Amino acid sequence: DIQMTQSPSSLSASVGDRVTITCQASQDINNYLNWYQQKPGKAPKLLIYDASNLETGVPSRFSGSGSGTDFTFTISSLQAEDVATYYCQHYDNVPRGGVTFGPGTKLDFK
Amino acid sequence: QLVQSGAEVKKPGSSVKVSCMASGGTFSSFGISWVRQAPGHGLEWMGGIIPIFGTTNYAQKFQGRVTVTADEYTSTAYMELSSLRSEDTAVYYCARGFGNYYGTFDIWGQGTRVTVAS
Repeated sequence: DIQMTQSPSSLSASVGDRVTITCQASQDINNYLNWYQQKPGKAPKLLIYDASNLETGVPSRFSGSGSGTDFTFTISSLQAEDVATYYCQHYDNVPRGGVTFGPGTKLDFK
Repeated sequence: QLVQSGAEVKKPGSSVKVSCMASGGTFSSFGISWVRQAPGHGLEWMGGIIPIFGTTNYAQKFQGRVTVTADEYTSTAYMELSSLRSEDTAVYYCARGFGNYYGTFDIWGQGTRVTVAS
């Protein structure tokens, strides 16, 4: 099965900071990579799909890039409401592992 | 919108069945997956169904212990997990899947807390 790693596992930042999270796959996953935001006690929310496509209604300060094995998620200017845990997620046909989430990155204020 | 059934408390060795109703319409051409989150842990995909085809896929970890079904007439999906153990204590989410392999989840249920305790 394909393994997904994320870094960092946690980070602290200030309002207005540029924040970057990376996600690495153990083998080439094309662009089958999504990013979700989860706030405490809430269901995850889709932000970016297929590596770089912004989900409808999601603010443009969120972006994603990458293909193959290395992917990046960026918040261009951190806002107060962005404090959350962020997960990357790979999807594929089930014989190749189905759906796999990264371990998450917890983002809070410095 | 996906609306899930309420919290459950179960004894070890028993089974739990969680429902997920798509309000405001049918499943249409989407998939429904189940994702769980143990306390203080990350997200874990369990399996899913494509209701219009009736096809199911399960994560290897849950093969033989989880069953996902769907009733197109009531636009309701179900996830049944058997042989429960304390490690199955978690919040269980259903999510609507689209795109390649129905693997992108754009709408999520509110979550159902399942507690396994003797």
